Amino acid sequence: QSVLTQPPSASGTPGQRVTISCSGSSSNIGSNTVNWYQQLPGTAPKLLIYSNNQRPSGVPDRFSGSKSGTSASLAISGLQSEDEADYYCAAWDDSLNAHVVFGGGTKLTVL
Amino acid sequence: QVQLQESGPGLVKPSQTLSLTCTVSGGSISSGDYYWSWIRQPPGKGLEWIGYIYYSGSTYYNPSLKSRVTISVDTSKNQFSLKLSSVTAADTAVYYCARAGFITSDFDYWGQGTLVTVSS
Repeated sequence: QSVLTQPPSASGTPGQRVTISCSGSSSNIGSNTVNWYQQLPGTAPKLLIYSNNQRPSGVPDRFSGSKSGTSASLAISGLQSEDEADYYCAAWDDSLNAHVVFGGGTKLTVL
Repeated sequence: QVQLQESGPGLVKPSQTLSLTCTVSGGSISSGDYYWSWIRQPPGKGLEWIGYIYYSGSTYYNPSLKSRVTISVDTSKNQFSLKLSSVTAADTAVYYCARAGFITSDFDYWGQGTLVTVSS
């Protein structure tokens, strides 16, 4: 059971806009920044969004992130077949034993 | 360009200690700008953070693994290492090393990962 909650799956057709949610608590998302990672099959995860809504160099502006309270979202517009991957959210958790927490991951299928 | 590369045995027997090393190139662990981390992913499952180390040797561990984990750093070799004791089949996973800010937990560079199987 992951500390951050994501839907296990999401889907969309090429060109559509899809969103993936990430729900946490006051000790993680509520008080720290959220990062999103994309993991293509058989590869290491790649930083997709950092500090809630910032894109690293090279990440297309089709990807965007937002945060409100204890939840965060990743939006992908103009969906492309190469976006089919697993997506994970992550944040620092300030609880008694502070540590990094990940969401369980969302598998995005491009129909 | 920073690169990280994991190395170590791909097969460990139950109850033994898993040992991995991450070699960093293209950047210095001693720069003090980042924390260095181990993250694992069991086959077909999600990501689990194992812990951080700073160049000074300060460590932070996942509470669920803390009793079995030791992360150390060798700045002279630009390497950091993971030891996980008393392993079971549940520790079978792809183990990644990565670089991040501290509380920001933004892992911007990752190794390719190495599969460690726990089996007799």
